[in-house]
Parts: sequence; C-alpha cells; structure tokens
Amino acid sequence: QKEVEQDPGPLSVPEGAIVSLNCTYSNSAFQYFMWYRQYSRKGPELLMYTYSSGNKEDGRFTAQVDKSSKYISLFIRDSQPSDSATYLCAMRKNSGYSTLTFGKGTMLLVSP
Amino acid sequence: DAGVIQSPRHEVTEMGQEVTLRCKPISGHDYLFWYRQTMMRGLELLIYFNNNVPIDDSGMPEDRFSAKMPNASFSTLKIQPSEPRDSAVYFCASSPPTGGASGYTFGSGTRLTVV
Repeated sequence: QKEVEQDPGPLSVPEGAIVSLNCTYSNSAFQYFMWYRQYSRKGPELLMYTYSSGNKEDGRFTAQVDKSSKYISLFIRDSQPSDSATYLCAMRKNSGYSTLTFGKGTMLLVSP
Repeated sequence: DAGVIQSPRHEVTEMGQEVTLRCKPISGHDYLFWYRQTMMRGLELLIYFNNNVPIDDSGMPEDRFSAKMPNASFSTLKIQPSEPRDSAVYFCASSPPTGGASGYTFGSGTRLTVV
C-alpha cells in the first residue's frame, strides 16, 4: 500500500459545480497537509496547507483534514474553466525536517 | 525573485548520450530537490540536498544518474548513458529550512525525450 493514495481521474465537471478532490494516507505521523495545483506543462504550485485536523478556507477553496480517518479533501466552489489542472496532495511529518510525500494527482477538467 | 530556474525546457537526445539538467534554486532556500514525473508513477523524489550536501539519494534509479550541487545557487542532474525509459519531466524544487508548513517551490521542469 502506498503511503498516499489519490484517484487520478480525470474528473469532468461543468462550470459552476462544486468539486471535491480527496486523498487517503496510511502514516499517522503526517501532520502538515498541502494541496498543489499543476497546470499543463508547468511545475506544481502550492495552493493551500493545513496543520493537523480541521478546515481552512481561502476564497473558493476549502481544505479539510480528518486525521481519524486519514482522509483529506479539497473543495472548490463555483468551479471555473481556469481551475482545470492536476491537483496533487502532499503531506509531511512533524519531526525535525521531513520531506513531502506526494499523491499522484487528480486531473480536473471544468467545461464552460 | 525569479523563482526556481531550470534549463533546458526541452531536451531530445539519442539513447546512449549524456544528458545534463540544470537548476538554480531560490536564493536563501537551503533545500534543493530533484523529482521525476511520469503518468504512471507520478512525482518521484530522486535526491535532495541541504546546504549543498546530498542528504538522501535513495530515489536515484541507477548508477547512470548522478547529481551535484557545487554551490548554493546551482545544481545539476546528469544521466549517462541515457535510455528511452528515462523519458519524463524532471523538476527541480527548493525550500526554506523551516520545514513544517513550508512548501516547495518548483521550477517549470525539463521535458526529456530519449529516442
């Protein structure tokens, strides 16, 4: 079992839809959780991060962490064609310096 | 800051040739990472450096791969000899030393095709 699992998609939705992107993980030591967005032929860019459990909101984006279920989510409200990209979850432990462990990414397509 | 700068953007080479990928990290970032991305395997960490010193190279697939960081502003990833299965997008990323909530800043990548 991989440490971080993420459905590769693609996930196709119409403009204005609410999108839910998810990752599951197996290592309970993970404490920092991040979402990266990667446009075609570009490098991943950090979108949001959360520490431990709970929710964090930034405009149309909400990141949610459920540590008891080892499950994280990214919600996108009022999705736009410009949100079409691959979304990668990433996480790290809270012991000294640890590297990020990435999911494989979910491709999202928002049609006008 | 111009961000993480990688060169070349695209590289097409013949099997058996040497390939050198280059990276300039963000000034002040103590950590530098080399990743390979494919559809099948996603992002794979190849090696990372802290203060120019290689910390973990367990992701380097074979002895054909080598990486150096001669100073804080430059790193190279070399493949010699290259093989078709090395075709992928190679990313360099850098990070400040604080860990925790600090994410990585990625370059735009080098798309390598070995024919």
